[in-house]
Amino acid sequence: DGGITQSPKYLFRKEGQNVTLSCEQNLNHDAMYWYRQDPGQGLRLIYYSQIVNDFQKGDIAEGYSVSREKKESFPLTVTSAQKNPTAFYLCASSTRGGWTEAFFGQGTRLTVV
Amino acid sequence: KNQVEQSPQSLIILEGKNCTLQCNYTVSPFSNLRWYKQDTGRGPVSLTIMTFSENTKSNGRYTATLDADTKQSSLHITASQLSDSASYICVVRGGSGGGADGLTFGKGTHLIIQP
Repeated sequence: DGGITQSPKYLFRKEGQNVTLSCEQNLNHDAMYWYRQDPGQGLRLIYYSQIVNDFQKGDIAEGYSVSREKKESFPLTVTSAQKNPTAFYLCASSTRGGWTEAFFGQGTRLTVV
Repeated sequence: KNQVEQSPQSLIILEGKNCTLQCNYTVSPFSNLRWYKQDTGRGPVSLTIMTFSENTKSNGRYTATLDADTKQSSLHITASQLSDSASYICVVRGGSGGGADGLTFGKGTHLIIQP
C-alpha cells in the first residue's frame, strides 16, 4: 500500500538529548515537510524539502535539523537547542510545487521527561 | 499577513444532527483551499480540495462550499455520526504571507458528537 509512515508513534526524551523522528513515503512524492502541532494552534512548518539533497527552513526551524539523502526519507532531529520540544510532530509529502496531492503521516508525540 | 480564521472553536451536537463549520481567509492571491479531518492523536486526512472556480464539492456526508469573492468557506456535515468527532482544519494555499510552504493553516474546529 502507498502511504507515508512516521515512527515511533510515541517518543520520550530526557532534557539535553537529541532525538530523531523518522518519516518514510512510497508515494514517489518529491516534496516532504515537517510540522509541529501544539494545542490550540495551527500547524507550523519546521522544515521542508522539494528535492533530494536540498531542504529549506520553515517558520520555526531553530533547534531542529533535517536531511534528505533519499527521496523516500526525511528524518527530523530535535536537538537539545530546542527549548520546548514537547509537541505532536507531523510529516507530510506532496507532489512538487502544488500541494494538490498531499498526505500526512500519523504523527509522533514527543515528550521531554 | 495571511490568516485563516475558523469558527466556532469547538462545537457539541447530538448524533444525527447537521452542522456547519466556517473558514474565513485573507490569503491572496488564492490557489486552493482544503478541509482536513484530524482524529485525536492522528494525522490529518483530506476531505475536500477546492479551487477558485469551484463553489461546492461533496464527499459523502461532507459538503464544502467556497465563496472566493467574500473569501469564505464552509464545511457542512449531514446526519452526524459518532465517528465525526474530530478536529476539522481549513488550509489555504497561495499568497505571499503564509508559511514557507505557501500554506496558511487554521487552528481548527473541535467537533464532538454526543449519542
